[in-house]
Amino acid sequence: DTGVSQDPRHKITKRGQNVTFRCDPISEHNRLYWYRQTLGQGPEFLTYFQNEAQLEKSRLLSDRFSAERPKGSFSTLEIQRTEQGDSAMYLCASSQPALGQASNGYTFGSGTRLTVV
Amino acid sequence: KNQVEQSPQSLIILEGKNCTLQCNYTVSPFSNLRWYKQDTGRGPVSLTIMTFSENTKSNGRYTATLDADTKQSSLHITASQLSDSASYICVVRNSNSGYALNFGKGTSLLVTP
Repeated sequence: DTGVSQDPRHKITKRGQNVTFRCDPISEHNRLYWYRQTLGQGPEFLTYFQNEAQLEKSRLLSDRFSAERPKGSFSTLEIQRTEQGDSAMYLCASSQPALGQASNGYTFGSGTRLTVV
Repeated sequence: KNQVEQSPQSLIILEGKNCTLQCNYTVSPFSNLRWYKQDTGRGPVSLTIMTFSENTKSNGRYTATLDADTKQSSLHITASQLSDSASYICVVRNSNSGYALNFGKGTSLLVTP
């Protein structure tokens, strides 16, 4: 296990279609995060899991978005009825609970680039 | 409001030259500050992480500084290489947030031959 894996790396879909992305975190990390990043911007927080529990969702996560982490390991992010505005890089990150102040276990995956045409 | 502002927005330097990137933040209460390097089409990779009590931290040719009083940080790159071309993102954690990080928009660095 060398890091956070995301699949697919790229996805092109037609507007209105549903898409699903997968994230496999570092195995000993119990926290998992989804972010969205558009060109020229920093990542924006979407949602956070601790084990299998989804503890927080951003207002950016409309009802067309749903994320799951059924067994507390991998996670999926589904976008229903995609829109052109959904085109972005979707980043997954995982971490361990902080041991003291400097939590250095926050690791990002390489992302899934979504293009909605 | 927790904000992270980076400057410059973009920078072009010649290979071998040094450069300094700036980060100002209003995040409070402060927990830690991280610098990430993000290559085009890739996820961010951590360069340094600094807590309140740390003023300077180095990682090879990268040196980060932190002034928690003025809420400023800098990332200095020494003897730049072509492979340093990337976006450099400053990220500040709020100690009350528990999980969420506050991201700057990044500085896009291009190192030319």
